[in-house]
Amino acid sequence: NAGVTQTPKFRILKIGQSMTLQCTQDMNHNYMYWYRQDPGMGLKLIYYSVGAGITDKGEVPNGYNVSRSTTEDFPLRLELAAPSQTSVYFCASSYSGQPFGNQPQHFGDGTRLSIL
Amino acid sequence: KQEVTQIPAALSVPEGENLVLNCSFTDSAIYNLQWFRQDPGKGLTSLLLIQSSQREQTSGRLNASLDKSSGRSTLYIAASQPGDSATYLCAVSILLSSGSARQLTFGSGTQLTVLP
Repeated sequence: NAGVTQTPKFRILKIGQSMTLQCTQDMNHNYMYWYRQDPGMGLKLIYYSVGAGITDKGEVPNGYNVSRSTTEDFPLRLELAAPSQTSVYFCASSYSGQPFGNQPQHFGDGTRLSIL
Repeated sequence: KQEVTQIPAALSVPEGENLVLNCSFTDSAIYNLQWFRQDPGKGLTSLLLIQSSQREQTSGRLNASLDKSSGRSTLYIAASQPGDSATYLCAVSILLSSGSARQLTFGSGTQLTVLP
């Protein structure tokens, strides 16, 4: 049981480049999330999805896009990378039954991204 | 807006000592509170989840309490060990504005060092 898998683990980008951070989970969770963690700070929600085909913005969505074509995968796209997007990105998933069951979120190991 | 604060930012204790980590939040309308452990360069591992209707949860040497009315939670670690050294994050679960999912709002963590 792999849980939540993120790739790549590390990446360096030049300003203006684009890339996709991959996230996949094998727990059949309906909810998936993308967070970023800046040094010495807590995590902030970028985007989330409550199921295939449904996504919505979190607290800090600017500069990012997501898609959810399958239950398992939730990729995060960076367009026109900027130095402010240097961060550690975490993907998480959870199962939430009705009416918002108290299930814990499970996290991947993160992608460490530097924009130079 | 929900804000989560963890004090102190760093804590160093000798092995064998019992210790308490503190977490406070500004809005008592939470669904649950989670404590996470984060090792350097790693993702988050869920330690304990306390539902809003509960007062405490225990797992091994860990005990977490929740007082919604005062906006406080504590994580008690008994008989600390060097292997407990990590950053401990608390997060509260609130309903997103879309009404369809929950968001975790994180504190910035307490970095714990247990000295042999």
